[in-house]
Amino acid sequence: KAGVTQTPRYLIKTRGQQVTLSCSPISGHRSVSWYQQTPGQGLQFLFEYFSETQRNKGNFPGRFSGRQFSNSRSEMNVSTLELGDSALYLCASSVGLAGGPNEQFFGPGTRLTVL
Amino acid sequence: QKEVEQDPGPLSVPEGAIVSLNCTYSNSAFQYFMWYRQYSRKGPELLMYTYSSGNKEDGRFTAQVDKSSKYISLFIRDSQPSDSATYLCAMSASSASKIIFGSGTRLSIRP
Repeated sequence: KAGVTQTPRYLIKTRGQQVTLSCSPISGHRSVSWYQQTPGQGLQFLFEYFSETQRNKGNFPGRFSGRQFSNSRSEMNVSTLELGDSALYLCASSVGLAGGPNEQFFGPGTRLTVL
Repeated sequence: QKEVEQDPGPLSVPEGAIVSLNCTYSNSAFQYFMWYRQYSRKGPELLMYTYSSGNKEDGRFTAQVDKSSKYISLFIRDSQPSDSATYLCAMSASSASKIIFGSGTRLSIRP
């Protein structure tokens, strides 16, 4: 079974620009979660989508948004990029059903550098 | 106070030693507990997954959950240099809740 894939793997942007990252979950998984990882803050939860609806949300500003499509693929968008947005962005997928297993499987991440 | 506390290390041990990694938490509603291993510049890899209290063993890895003490552990037996990585604990209250991660412990196994 193919794992979680993320594209692109690397991105360089400048302040003020916007960026869209893509995540394809494991086949059959309906939940996709997004995380930001930086050396100083560790792994921080952005949001989770399940069946095209945002089910959980972290404490990030509105510049960070996401969506999920009917095939469970998800995109994350960051508008008006700031230097502090430079990070590894990880997505993770899980089955996501209430009462079922919730192990999350991570993709390789997208490394975003904001100049 | 963070919901999940994890000693960041770094922790350095000789090859073949038993390694003990730990996390404490404050939310008594947590029922699902996970350990991830992350190599440098890679995504985290799920190592162990347990539900509620008790022990779970998988090869050289043993996960323990003590809900009464709000304390979880990961033991690595016969540690190898390839075990050198950052280990993250993670937990959630339900399968529909967000997963809370510890900050990670950097582990180095000396040959």
